[in-house]
Amino acid sequence: KAGVTQTPRYLIKTRGQQVTLSCSPISGHRSVSWYQQTPGQGLQFLFEYFSETQRNKGNFPGRFSGRQFSNSRSEMNVSTLELGDSALYLCASSGFGASNEKLFFGSGTQLSVL
Amino acid sequence: GENVEQHPSTLSVQEGDSAVIKCTYSDSASNYFPWYKQELGKRPQLIIDIRSNVGEKKDQRIAVTLNKTAKHFSLHITETQPEDSAVYFCAAREGGGNKLTFGTGTQLKVEL
Repeated sequence: KAGVTQTPRYLIKTRGQQVTLSCSPISGHRSVSWYQQTPGQGLQFLFEYFSETQRNKGNFPGRFSGRQFSNSRSEMNVSTLELGDSALYLCASSGFGASNEKLFFGSGTQLSVL
Repeated sequence: GENVEQHPSTLSVQEGDSAVIKCTYSDSASNYFPWYKQELGKRPQLIIDIRSNVGEKKDQRIAVTLNKTAKHFSLHITETQPEDSAVYFCAAREGGGNKLTFGTGTQLKVEL
């Protein structure tokens, strides 16, 4: 079974631009969560989608948004990029039943804002 | 919201020794506590998890204990090996959904 796939692997943008990151969950998984990882703040929850609906949201500004498609693939968008948005963005998916709480992470998208 | 504290931030042990990492959480409604291992440049990998209705869980050299009354949980690694060297994160899930609050991580170094 293929794991969680994130694209692109690396991105370089300049301040003020916007960016879209993509995540394909493990086949059959319907929950997709996004996390931001930085050396200073650690792993911070951005939002979670389940069956195309946002189920949870973290404490990030409205510049950070996401969506989920009917095939469970998800995208997150960051508008008006700031230097502080430079981070590793991780996507995680989870499945059904007793193991539906287990989150499996992708390799992430390393975003650098110049 | 939930707050998770993790100690120590760095831990150095000799190969074959045991390592213990401790976490405390603030929200008594949290019901699921996973541990992740992240090697440099790689994705976080789930190594063990425990639900709030269980006090202890073991998987080979790794064990997790949970004290709901004190709101703390710990990761125990026995017979450490160099390949155990990594950053370990604890996390807590509050209520429904899959929102995890992570600790700040422990850099474990296993020395030969």
